[in-house]
Amino acid sequence: AQKVTQAQTEISVVEKEDVTLDCVYETRDTTYYLFWYKQPPSGELVFLIRRNSFDEQNEISGRYSWNFQKSTSSFNFTITASQVVDSAVYFCALSEAPLENYGQNFVFGPGTRLSVLP
Amino acid sequence: DTGVSQNPRHKITKRGQNVTFRCDPISEHNRLYWYRQTLGQGPEFLTYFQNEAQLEKSRLLSDRFSAERPKGSFSTLEIQRTEQGDSAMYLCASSSKVRVANYGYTFGSGTRLTVV
Repeated sequence: AQKVTQAQTEISVVEKEDVTLDCVYETRDTTYYLFWYKQPPSGELVFLIRRNSFDEQNEISGRYSWNFQKSTSSFNFTITASQVVDSAVYFCALSEAPLENYGQNFVFGPGTRLSVLP
Repeated sequence: DTGVSQNPRHKITKRGQNVTFRCDPISEHNRLYWYRQTLGQGPEFLTYFQNEAQLEKSRLLSDRFSAERPKGSFSTLEIQRTEQGDSAMYLCASSSKVRVANYGYTFGSGTRLTVV
C-alpha cells in the first residue's frame, strides 16, 4: 500500500526566510500522482499543485517551488521569502490509481505545521 | 464556483447520541468524498459517491456510520451512538472526472465533532 511521510511535524521561521517542507512517499505503482495542499486555520484544504510520476520537471509558481526526485521518492516544497500568511498546515498526498476512478487510494501525509513569525 | 459547503461547522454531542452532517458539493461535480481528520494527522478516506451511487467505503467506516447522497446532489453523513473516538474533523470534498485529474479534490471547511 502507498504511504506518505512528512518527517517535519512543525517548523518555525521568521518572515522573509526560505523554508523547505519535505515529503517522502512509497508506492509500487509506476504511474502515480503527487499533490500538495495547504490547510489554513479556517480548515479548508487548498490545492497547491499536482505532479505526475512521469513528469520530473521542477515547477515554480511565484514564491512556491517544488522539487520532484523519483530516485529518492521525494517531492519537496519550498517557500521563498516566507510571509505570515503562509502560516498553515501543509499536506503532501499521493494517489496510485487513475484519479478519476478511486477515492481510497488518495493518501495524505500527516502534515507539517509551518509558523511564520513577523 | 461557490465552493463546497459543510454544515454545521461545529457540533458538540454527548456520547451515545446520533449526529448528522451535511455536505453541499459544487453543483457540477458528480463525485463526492468524505474524509476524517484527527488532531495532528492528515485526512483519512471514509467513502466516495459518484452521483447517487456509493462506490467505495473504507474499513474506517464502521456499522455506526452511514452516508447517503439521495439525488446525487448533497450528501449526509450520520454517526449513530457516538463514541469519544469519533471526535474529529469531518471533511467533504467534491470533484468531476475531468477536474480531478488536474486539480485533485475541492474540499469544504469541515465539520468539527466533539463527543463529550
